[in-house]
Amino acid sequence: QVTLRQSGPALVKPTQTLTLTCTFSGFSLSTTGMCVSWIRQPPGKALEWLALIDWDDDKYYSTSLKTRLTISKDSSKNQVVLTMNNMDPVDTATYYCARYRGYDSYFDYWGQGTLVTVSS
Amino acid sequence: DIQMTQSPSSLSASVGDRVTITCRASQSINTYLNWYQQKPGQAPNLLIYAASSLQSGVPSRFSGSGSGTAFTLTISSLQPEDFATYYCQQSYSYPRTFGQGTKLEIK
Repeated sequence: QVTLRQSGPALVKPTQTLTLTCTFSGFSLSTTGMCVSWIRQPPGKALEWLALIDWDDDKYYSTSLKTRLTISKDSSKNQVVLTMNNMDPVDTATYYCARYRGYDSYFDYWGQGTLVTVSS
Repeated sequence: DIQMTQSPSSLSASVGDRVTITCRASQSINTYLNWYQQKPGQAPNLLIYAASSLQSGVPSRFSGSGSGTAFTLTISSLQPEDFATYYCQQSYSYPRTFGQGTKLEIK
């Protein structure tokens, strides 16, 4: 059974760095073709893809946010970490991690999401 | 970046109706197109992958078609549980991108 769970602060102040952890089970990020991605959704708005890391440690980022994002993995712990620096109130959103099957090219399992509010 | 544009942005329909949602890509993406359903307070759920393949466990009233730049999601006979927001997403190139969503509401 594949599960993903996001963890991190619910509230961050403007200019701070956000660190989110995705802890997953039911698959290995060392398996060829497996990837984990981060997607966010501001309240009442659309989904926005942020970043992806694959089994080979290749990393891909949103064009508009790539200067602020870092994605990394610890395959031994079944965790993927996303950091976003210089947080702003417009970054208030629910942040999801999701499994991405690289060869099939879709997000098939998602975490429940974690709401991050940026406010002083 | 490849831009994904959905139409309409919102749609009112009745139980039993046949509904079609359109997604257009700003350049050809072959059939690297997925559809997701999202209900309030829940994570998205994969419905269709590779433009027309039905994800396991998804009812057969959902179908997808298209290739290149134009795609459609069709629900053949709306059920009460289908009222939700639908998103298309391209997997042709990085960065991955989603459409802006289509909210399907009860008439």
